[in-house]
Amino acid sequence: DIQMTQSPSSLSASVGDRVTITCRASQAITNYIAWFQQKPGKAPKSLIYAASSLQSGVPSKFSGSGSGTDFTLTISSLQPEDFATYYCQQYNTYPLTFGGGTKVEIK
Amino acid sequence: EVQLLESGGGLVQPGGSLRLSCAASEFTFSSFAMSWVRQAPGKGLEWVSTIGSSGVNTYYADSVKGRFTISRDNSGNTLYLHMNSLRAEDTAVYYCAKGSLSYYGLFDYWGQGTLVTVSS
Repeated sequence: DIQMTQSPSSLSASVGDRVTITCRASQAITNYIAWFQQKPGKAPKSLIYAASSLQSGVPSKFSGSGSGTDFTLTISSLQPEDFATYYCQQYNTYPLTFGGGTKVEIK
Repeated sequence: EVQLLESGGGLVQPGGSLRLSCAASEFTFSSFAMSWVRQAPGKGLEWVSTIGSSGVNTYYADSVKGRFTISRDNSGNTLYLHMNSLRAEDTAVYYCAKGSLSYYGLFDYWGQGTLVTVSS
């Protein structure tokens, strides 16, 4: 199985900060990675697919990059509505696997 | 806007069975793969199962293989998850998720989830 290791597991940031979350795959997955945002008690929301493509309706403050095994999600200017938990997921191979999540909290 | 509405969750005893449903609307259900993803209380996301658009191709996590069966009714726009031999560790919110046209395992829309609690 492909392990997806996210870091950090949590971070504290202020409104307006630039935030970067990293996801490392245990083997190469080309660019078959997606990122999701989840707020407490809510369903995940799809943000990015194919490492760097924004899902429809997702604001451009979110961006993704990487290929092979190392990937990043960046939020350019953190807003109050962005405080949430973020997950990466590989869809290169079954079983599909998720990272452990990164909780973004208010400093 | 794509709509996915799960139902069928509840409290069940260990060893029991349950069937989850996911009613889909506002897209051509029969054209897309569908999946179930679960989240245990306070934990991360775990993929459970995926079914191709026609229902022929199915995939399962090892943790549920042989106990869970995914199926779909394309005429009724509904996805199902039949769960047997339930264990305490199956306790979770179960989400249905819509796949993309190009990749089964790429999710673009999620339902709101239904809670399954396995306890005596």
